[in-house]
Amino acid sequence: NAGVTQTPKFRILKIGQSMTLQCTQDMNHNYMYWYRQDPGMGLKLIYYSVGAGITDKGEVPNGYNVSRSTTEDFPLRLELAAPSQTSVYFCASSYSDGRNSPLHFGNGTRLTVT
Amino acid sequence: GQQLNQSPQSMFIQEGEDVSMNCTSSSIFNTWLWYKQDPGEGPVLLIALYKAGELTSNGRLTAQFGITRKDSFLNISASIPSDVGIYFCAGQALYSMGSARQLTFGSGTQLTVLP
Repeated sequence: NAGVTQTPKFRILKIGQSMTLQCTQDMNHNYMYWYRQDPGMGLKLIYYSVGAGITDKGEVPNGYNVSRSTTEDFPLRLELAAPSQTSVYFCASSYSDGRNSPLHFGNGTRLTVT
Repeated sequence: GQQLNQSPQSMFIQEGEDVSMNCTSSSIFNTWLWYKQDPGEGPVLLIALYKAGELTSNGRLTAQFGITRKDSFLNISASIPSDVGIYFCAGQALYSMGSARQLTFGSGTQLTVLP
């Protein structure tokens, strides 16, 4: 199993550009999440999904969109990139929402908006 | 929202030394988790704690769920070079129904182990 795979690893965007961060998992997990990690800060939840076709906002959703057309994929879309979106983005998945179902994280996408 | 204070922010220790880090919260949590993040990778779960007062070990790592439910500690004994990384605590608030989407993360402790 590859686990959670994120692409690209690095990206530089100009202000106003758009891009999609890809995330796929091969563990047949129902739950998927997008977090951002800023220097000196804890991970913040952007969006999450409890299954194909279902998404919901997390703590910091503004400026982002997601979709979940399949169980495996959970892409994160930035429509109009802003410098405040410079961050490291982590996708994660879990089998269920329960306390005994740990999060499995991808290796992250480092995004710089200039 | 919930806030977690994690300290210290960074530590430089000699190989073989023990290290301790902690997280405190203004709110009561019913679950405490400790993650490690290696450079260029995502966080990996080290230890999960579900009960106040619980003390759990994973090899050279030991973590405790504070009696007040507002804090947790992680100790690493006899550090080795591969312990280098960022250690994060995370908590789930009381009555959150065990939801991973309701995790609050600490800001991390950057650990450097000197040979």
